[in-house]
Amino acid sequence: EPEVTQTPSHQVTQMGQEVILRCVPISNHLYFYWYRQILGQKVEFLVSFYNNEISEKSEIFDDQFSVERPDGSNFTLKIRSTKLEDSAMYFCASTGTGGTEQYFGPGTRLTVT
Amino acid sequence: QKEVEQDPGPLSVPEGAIVSLNCTYSNSAFQYFMWYRQYSRKGPELLMYTYSSGNKEDGRFTAQVDKSSKYISLFIRDSQPSDSATYLCANLGTFRGSTLGRLYFGRGTQLTVWP
Repeated sequence: EPEVTQTPSHQVTQMGQEVILRCVPISNHLYFYWYRQILGQKVEFLVSFYNNEISEKSEIFDDQFSVERPDGSNFTLKIRSTKLEDSAMYFCASTGTGGTEQYFGPGTRLTVT
Repeated sequence: QKEVEQDPGPLSVPEGAIVSLNCTYSNSAFQYFMWYRQYSRKGPELLMYTYSSGNKEDGRFTAQVDKSSKYISLFIRDSQPSDSATYLCANLGTFRGSTLGRLYFGRGTQLTVWP
């Protein structure tokens, strides 16, 4: 069964460092999303992406964040200068043209020290 | 306001019990109502979704939406220890009139089914 994969599973970084979180969406999906979940809180939307451009972004997704589809399979989230409050689980999701069902990856746990 | 509210529990029931999980939402424009299951430190897994008001059944799971009261429910019959997880309700937003919008999640209800 096709699934969304994410790497790394856990990333530890120091405050102010740049991190890149990677996702491989389901192969025939065209719409991609990033969400995050701070421990004990709701899963929150960050950004959606289609046809090599951002479709929608939340107020969380400020200039420190960027997304890219560098090739035909990967989808990345970059945080330019990490802050302590960026510590969270980051989930990638994808969906096909129907759009209703978003499939999530296992997540990357980001710890900023 | 596009908030989704959900009692975080925890909820603990014996095996075989009927479980009722509930959410409320504030935005009457929502049309798609999703239930995700999340095991500890894993990604949300889509269980089922409902369009507009009404019921939808899938095996032991029944999703119910009452748009008049903005109330969403998930019922689990004959609950099993393997059902132990956090259950997240979510509403699907629209994007330019399509169903490609963001998900608005509740906090999740932690369920434990003990043998």
